[in-house]
Amino acid sequence: SQQGEEDPQALSIQEGENATMNCSYKTSINNLQWYRQNSGRGLVHLILIRSNEREKHSGRLRVTLDTSKKSSSLLITASRAADTASYFCATKETSGSRLTFGEGTQLTVNP
Amino acid sequence: ETGVTQTPRHLVMGMTNKKSLKCEQHLGHNAMYWYKQSAKKPLELMFVYNFKEQTENNSVPSRFSPECPNSSHLFLHLHTLQPEDSALYLCASSQATSGYTDTQYFGPGTRLTVL
Repeated sequence: SQQGEEDPQALSIQEGENATMNCSYKTSINNLQWYRQNSGRGLVHLILIRSNEREKHSGRLRVTLDTSKKSSSLLITASRAADTASYFCATKETSGSRLTFGEGTQLTVNP
Repeated sequence: ETGVTQTPRHLVMGMTNKKSLKCEQHLGHNAMYWYKQSAKKPLELMFVYNFKEQTENNSVPSRFSPECPNSSHLFLHLHTLQPEDSALYLCASSQATSGYTDTQYFGPGTRLTVL
């Protein structure tokens, strides 16, 4: 499997509910980032968490990082229809300079 | 708006055509990237430029030719493409390639269809 795999591949919830997406990776990392992509558009950076951090918040977003399990989760609280998009995690490995993206989770928030 | 623009937004070309994609960033960044995004596949890094120098070519076929005349502009020249090259081509920029907090800023992409 690939570096930066998201789970689930697709998630459908009702407005107001929380959405949780998970990301697993294989190598040692400097940081892990979450991006959002609306259909057919570019990616937008949401939040970055460094390897020495365990949790980070930004508005309705909460990201956790467990380097021992090589996994991260993105929680979106009180979801809105406008949160409908694909969400990607990306890892910055300690040994390289590139970001490696996962396949993404397609989130649908129903009004 | 992320400060990264791409033109054209949509492009349809035949396999014998030559076309170019353009990317411009207004963020004062030093690194620029080309990615290919195909349906149901992860983002594929194609090329990386850092301070106008190509630092990475991810085994991309020679029918794709990048050009970076300065740190603000990046081109992708296309020639003799195949139908499987149809995809969304995304440009991104970042402060540099080796920064610890190397966040990338993406353009809206060019949707390319090869007939």
